[in-house]
Amino acid sequence: GAVVSQHPSWVICKSGTSVKIECRSLDFQATTMFWYRQFPKKSLMLMATSNEGSKATYEQGVEKDKFLINHASLTLSTLTVTSAHPEDSSFYICSARKSHATEAFFGQGTRLTVV
Amino acid sequence: EDQVTQSPEALRLQEGESSSLNCSYTVSGLRGLFWYRQDPGKGPEFLFTLYSAGEEKEKERLKATLTKKESFLHITAPKPEDSATYLCAVQGGSQGNLIFGKGTKLSVKP
Repeated sequence: GAVVSQHPSWVICKSGTSVKIECRSLDFQATTMFWYRQFPKKSLMLMATSNEGSKATYEQGVEKDKFLINHASLTLSTLTVTSAHPEDSSFYICSARKSHATEAFFGQGTRLTVV
Repeated sequence: EDQVTQSPEALRLQEGESSSLNCSYTVSGLRGLFWYRQDPGKGPEFLFTLYSAGEEKEKERLKATLTKKESFLHITAPKPEDSATYLCAVQGGSQGNLIFGKGTKLSVKP
């Protein structure tokens, strides 16, 4: 199978602090990883696409300085929410795709609550 | 602009009552259409990929079909454990990312 592990599954942080979310492909090498945000009863909204060893490509309206993405290896990508505010509270989900493949496999998601 | 529309938004079935979920799409150069299942508070779980019109795939009580404009996810004799939100997504053109619909929330009552 293709397993993607996301950690932590939930986190509560104080306003103004930074939070790092990890996304790991456990049994395959992921040349491309995607970060999504999901609001209640809404579709998954793509935030950015990251390719191993290069800078992430951010979707329109997503602040790259606020949502830092690093894809340093073929099995790990991280999303850091900097200077978090309550409006950043959401469900963040990563997905990973093997090279030359079309299917993307998702992590379990991270529920971020900023208080 | 690539777009995915799923209907109905919510569907309530009795156990054993078969039905279908619809996913209508517009995309330039379909590379793949994907169905996922998402349980509350979890990430989407991959179900199927369909690549061309006429293609069908089955997994247990689920069967996915594809035409040039839409895909259906048929659920035969559903069980309560099939309750979840079913997401449809397309990948088109030169883009690598998936465009998701808003999903259909399925509830199966015993």
